Amino acid sequence: KAGVTQTPRYLIKTRGQQVTLSCSPISGHRSVSWYQQTPGQGLQFLFEYFSETQRNKGNFPGRFSGRQFSNSRSEMNVSTLELGDSALYLCASSFGYHTDTQYFGPGTRLTVL
Amino acid sequence: GENVEQHPSTLSVQEGDSAVIKCTYSDSASNYFPWYKQELGKRPQLIIDIRSNVGEKKDQRIAVTLNKTAKHFSLHITETQPEDSAVYFCAASRPRDSGTYKYIFGTGTRLKVLA
Repeated sequence: KAGVTQTPRYLIKTRGQQVTLSCSPISGHRSVSWYQQTPGQGLQFLFEYFSETQRNKGNFPGRFSGRQFSNSRSEMNVSTLELGDSALYLCASSFGYHTDTQYFGPGTRLTVL
Repeated sequence: GENVEQHPSTLSVQEGDSAVIKCTYSDSASNYFPWYKQELGKRPQLIIDIRSNVGEKKDQRIAVTLNKTAKHFSLHITETQPEDSAVYFCAASRPRDSGTYKYIFGTGTRLKVLA
């Protein structure tokens, strides 16, 4: 099976802009979680989607949002970008809602200038 | 809030020696504890995991131990090799049905295996 894929891999934006990142889970996986990875804060949970519904959410401002489509692909949107949003954004998929094991994608490196 | 403390932040060992990384979690409802290895520029990869109903799990040179009472879990790598050099993350999660499910990651340990 193909692994988790994310597009784009690299992105450069300026403050105030918005960005949309995409994640395609492993075939058959229905749960997608998003994480922000920075050198200072490590890996922080953003939110999780299952069956097109946000099931759990971390402690991030409302500028961070997401959605999941019927084919389990997920998008994450960040509006009004700030310099501090520069990070590696990782998504991870798992088979089902009660399955804990997560498999990560390669990430999208976002740089905000 | 819940957190996972991970120590040490960096660890250097000679090739062939053992490496131990320790994590402490605060949420007593946590029941799943995975370990991830992240090589430079690559995605985190699951290397081993343990559930709260098990005290120890081994997979070749890698083992994880869990002490629920003390809320500690540790990663043990024996006979280290240069390719073990990477950043290792521990994580803890509570059951999804608990209403506030999320993975909480430790801050990572940079392991260097010296040839």
